[in-house]
Amino acid sequence: DAGVTQSPTHLIKTRGQQVTLRCSPKSGHDTVSWYQQALGQGPQFIFQYYEEEERQRGNFPDRFSGHQFPNYSSELNVNALLLGDSALYLCASSPEGVRGNTEAFFGQGTRLTVV
Amino acid sequence: GESVGLHLPTLSVQEGDNSIINCAYSNSASDYFIWYKQESGKGPQFIIDIRSNMDKRQGQRVTVLLNKTVKHLSLQIAATQPGDSAVYFCAETPGFQKLVFGTGTRLLVSP
Repeated sequence: DAGVTQSPTHLIKTRGQQVTLRCSPKSGHDTVSWYQQALGQGPQFIFQYYEEEERQRGNFPDRFSGHQFPNYSSELNVNALLLGDSALYLCASSPEGVRGNTEAFFGQGTRLTVV
Repeated sequence: GESVGLHLPTLSVQEGDNSIINCAYSNSASDYFIWYKQESGKGPQFIIDIRSNMDKRQGQRVTVLLNKTVKHLSLQIAATQPGDSAVYFCAETPGFQKLVFGTGTRLLVSP
């Protein structure tokens, strides 16, 4: 059983550009969350998708948007990239329900560098 | 591999010692508290969780203690091994839609 898979693993973009990151959830998981992890810090919640809708959003600007597909996979889009967007972007999948977050599985992340 | 963090608090122990990693959380309404292990170049990996109505839970070589009075969480690792070297994060769930992570602690285990 493949766990959470993310692509690409590394990415270098220029300020002002746009980027799309992809995530395939663990089999049986229908909820996908995205986190941003800056160097030396814990992951910060960006948003969560369930039933193809954004269900909750953290304190991130509208430049960060996402999408969930019928097969539960998800994309994270970031527009007008800033140097400060450089980080490890983590996708976590979980089953729906009260204990969903305690059963969250994380992918290995996409390392985004903005130059 | 990627470095998870360069300036994290660090706990250095000898192989075979017991390790205790501490965490302060912020939201009294959180239902669950979770410990994650993050190795270089990887995403966080679930270790153990504890529900807010408990004060202790044991797993294999790990024990989590919860003190809601002072909003404190600790992870005890028995007989620490070199493979335990990683960054450890606590997380809380203020509503089941997201995890809120604390600052991490780097654990270094010397053979």
